Amino acid sequence: QSALTQPPSASGSPGQSVTISCTGTSSDVGGYNYVSWYQQNPGKAPKLMIYEVSKRPSGVPDRFSGSKSGDTASLTVSGLQAEDEADYYCSSYAGNNNAWVFGGGTKLTVL
Amino acid sequence: EVQLVESGGGLVQPGGSLKLSCAASGFTFSASAMHWVRQASGKGLEWVGRIRSKANSYATTYAASVKGRFTISRDDSKNTAYLQMNSLKAEDTAVYYCTREEETATHDFDYWGQGTLVTVSS
Repeated sequence: QSALTQPPSASGSPGQSVTISCTGTSSDVGGYNYVSWYQQNPGKAPKLMIYEVSKRPSGVPDRFSGSKSGDTASLTVSGLQAEDEADYYCSSYAGNNNAWVFGGGTKLTVL
Repeated sequence: EVQLVESGGGLVQPGGSLKLSCAASGFTFSASAMHWVRQASGKGLEWVGRIRSKANSYATTYAASVKGRFTISRDDSKNTAYLQMNSLKAEDTAVYYCTREEETATHDFDYWGQGTLVTVSS
């Protein structure tokens, strides 16, 4: 199972919007609406930000949104804040192998 | 408050074995699937494997990179999941996280432990 493809870095100024892509295949991202996104700060455990492509867990600001088109999922952070600076990982269920796959991660910098 | 606490990490020689534990509290452990995810230093997250609940026959699945070497088990009476790692290689060096998947088909990881470091080196 190959890792999902994410850009290594993304950036934006406070108040701006930034979108991070996550490209897989029809065996994972494109085949299931089970894409999730995780935020990880240095030395900390990942935190669930988006599940089932576009749903937000309780407590996650509505500045975070998710979408999917074909084999590519996206995470959009609107109204960037300094506290959003972190690494972001996408993940997808890959049902054929009853497995999960992560993206390589994107370092988001708030300029 | 939900807590997942991993333990058992440490330094092990190549070819050796190690067993990690993940103690859970604050949620219905017996009704949850438990996963292990690892992260090498400076690298991304890698899914290791999953064990489902008793209702799903404690079914396990593993990443190709660890299949045949790693075994996930659980003891619902102790609210604890385990990761038995055999035939360890240098490339298994990583922080190992346990994480929960609520078995309602959302296929995401909503709770994470703080991780335990495994170093495979001679």
